[in-house]
Formats: sequence, structure tokens, C-alpha cells
Amino acid sequence: AQSVTQLGSHVSVSEGALVLLRCNYSSSVPPYLFWYVQYPNQGLQLLLKYTTGATLVKGINGFEAEFKKSETSFHLTKPSAHMSDAAEYFCAVSVSSGSARQLTFGSGTQLTVLP
Amino acid sequence: NAGVTQTPKFQVLKTGQSMTLQCAQDMNHNSMYWYRQDPGMGLRLIYYSASEGTTDKGEVPNGYNVSRLNKREFSLRLESAAPSQTSVYFCASRPTGESNEKLFFGSGTQLSVL
Repeated sequence: AQSVTQLGSHVSVSEGALVLLRCNYSSSVPPYLFWYVQYPNQGLQLLLKYTTGATLVKGINGFEAEFKKSETSFHLTKPSAHMSDAAEYFCAVSVSSGSARQLTFGSGTQLTVLP
Repeated sequence: NAGVTQTPKFQVLKTGQSMTLQCAQDMNHNSMYWYRQDPGMGLRLIYYSASEGTTDKGEVPNGYNVSRLNKREFSLRLESAAPSQTSVYFCASRPTGESNEKLFFGSGTQLSVL
């Protein structure tokens, strides 16, 4: 069975500072890994994904994540936070199960950006 | 494009009442999902449907039933609502193919059971 652990349910950064959101996973097979973002009163949107190939993945809005197999990690970063980045971020792992691939989500990290 | 549409957006039920949450997608996706979102627990899969006519249990199916009415629609039914089912419910769909992993989410239904 697969699982995802997000370290830190709340992270606060100043505008212009580095954003680092941590995600560790466990999976018995090579994982597909994702970051989703949820803005207030909206559904989740895909930020970026790792399936195969290059381990540094670039997503929308200047975010990127690096897949590190040795550390079983997929941390999300952005060099300079913007006020519009305030949202909840979910890490997820996808594996095949039964008749369809399923996503298992982490518990989420609420990002606050301070002026 | 409407994408994934969920109705209603808000609902208040009394314990023991029943209701159906509706979900429809206009993207011709084969797979559809129902998740619930609770504080500190992320999203947990209730049921999913890999294709029209098939449904499977997810992580937390107890107290729920689903119907994949056709390719577009996937409904979630609470037969006898309980306070533990107070949550935000999200429907999602996904295109066919192993290489396409992106889920498309609706905007959610906020359900309170008193």
C-alpha cells in the first residue's frame, strides 16, 4: 500500500522568500507523484507531476519539485513567494489498484504568505 | 467548457435523512471518483468508477452508495446520513490512459449533518 506524509500542516513565509513544502512517500512500486493546489472554495488543481524521466519537475506559477528516490521525497519549492500563492497544497502518489489508478493524498499543507 | 459540475454546493441534513450528490463531466473521461475532505486528513477516496457500468470501493466506502448512470454522470448517495459524514465532497474525473494522470475536480459540496 502507498502513503504520503506531508511535514507541517501550516507553513508561513514572507512575500519574496523561498517556499519549501515537504512531502515523503512510501510505495512498493515506482510511484507517480503529484502536487495539487487548492484555492479557497475551489476544487484541487494539478500543479505538477512526476511520472518517469527527469527528476526535477517544473510546474505552473514558478513551482518545481525534485523526485529523490534515495530519500523517498518529493518536496515542492518556489524561489520567491507571492501573495497569490496562499493556498492549501496536497502531495499525492498514484499506483494501480484494481480497475483504475488511484491517487492517495497527503493531509495537506496550508501556505500563508505574509506581506 | 464546464468541466466537472457538482450539485448542490451546500446541503444541511438531519441525522437519518437521505440525499444524492450529483456529478457530471463533459470531457468524455472514462474514470470518475468521489472523495471526501476533512481537516487534517486530506482527501480520502470513497468510491471510484473506471468506466461506465463499473464501480469499486475506495478507502472509506461505508455509509455510501454510488451509481455510474452513464459516461457523464456519477452520483453519490447517503441512505441514512450521520454526523460523521459532515464533510466537503469532491467529484473528479480522469482521461483514459496510463500516461495521463491528471485529475479534474469539481468545486465541491459542503455537507453538514446535524
